[in-house]
Amino acid sequence: NAGVTQTPKFQVLKTGQSMTLQCAQDMNHNSMYWYRQDPGMGLRLIYYSASEGTTDKGEVPNGYNVSRLNKREFSLRLESAAPSQTSVYFCASRVTGGHEAFFGQGTRLTVV
Amino acid sequence: ELKVEQNPLFLSMQEGKNYTIYCNYSTTSDRLYWYRQDPGKSLESLFVLLSNGAVKQEGRLMASLDTKARLSTLHITAAVHDLSATYFCAVVILEGAQKLVFGQGTRLTINP
Repeated sequence: NAGVTQTPKFQVLKTGQSMTLQCAQDMNHNSMYWYRQDPGMGLRLIYYSASEGTTDKGEVPNGYNVSRLNKREFSLRLESAAPSQTSVYFCASRVTGGHEAFFGQGTRLTVV
Repeated sequence: ELKVEQNPLFLSMQEGKNYTIYCNYSTTSDRLYWYRQDPGKSLESLFVLLSNGAVKQEGRLMASLDTKARLSTLHITAAVHDLSATYFCAVVILEGAQKLVFGQGTRLTINP
């Protein structure tokens, strides 16, 4: 079982460039999440999705867009990257209800 | 808005000592999770607490949940160096889109 797979693992962008972070899960989970982790800030929720075709804003959605095209995949797009978006990004998925979330290995993004 | 607060944020302790990490949350929920994160790694699920009064134990770690007080605790007994890590609690709002919010994390360092 692959679990939750994120690509890429590392990325360096120039200010103003765009990119999409990919996330796929093979556990048939309904809910998927994108977080960013910055030193001293814990994990902050960017966007989440309860099911295919639905998305909701989290705590820090500005500068990001997401797409949940099918049950397996939930992508995060930065349209015009800024240095403030330098962070480690984690994708997670879980079964709807009481179950815990499972996390991908993270994407370390640096915007210069 | 759901807020999750951990206390303390940093904890340095000696091997063999006991200590408790606290997790308070601001809205009604009976679904609370504890995670561990090692430096440079992803998050690993430790405990799933699904009802008031729930208690789970694994080795030297014990977690409990008081939904009336909106409080969970993670107790460390006779700490050992291998428990050094960052610990997160997380709470989910079960209605609607299943928002999952994390605390800031507690960085635990256990010294010989």
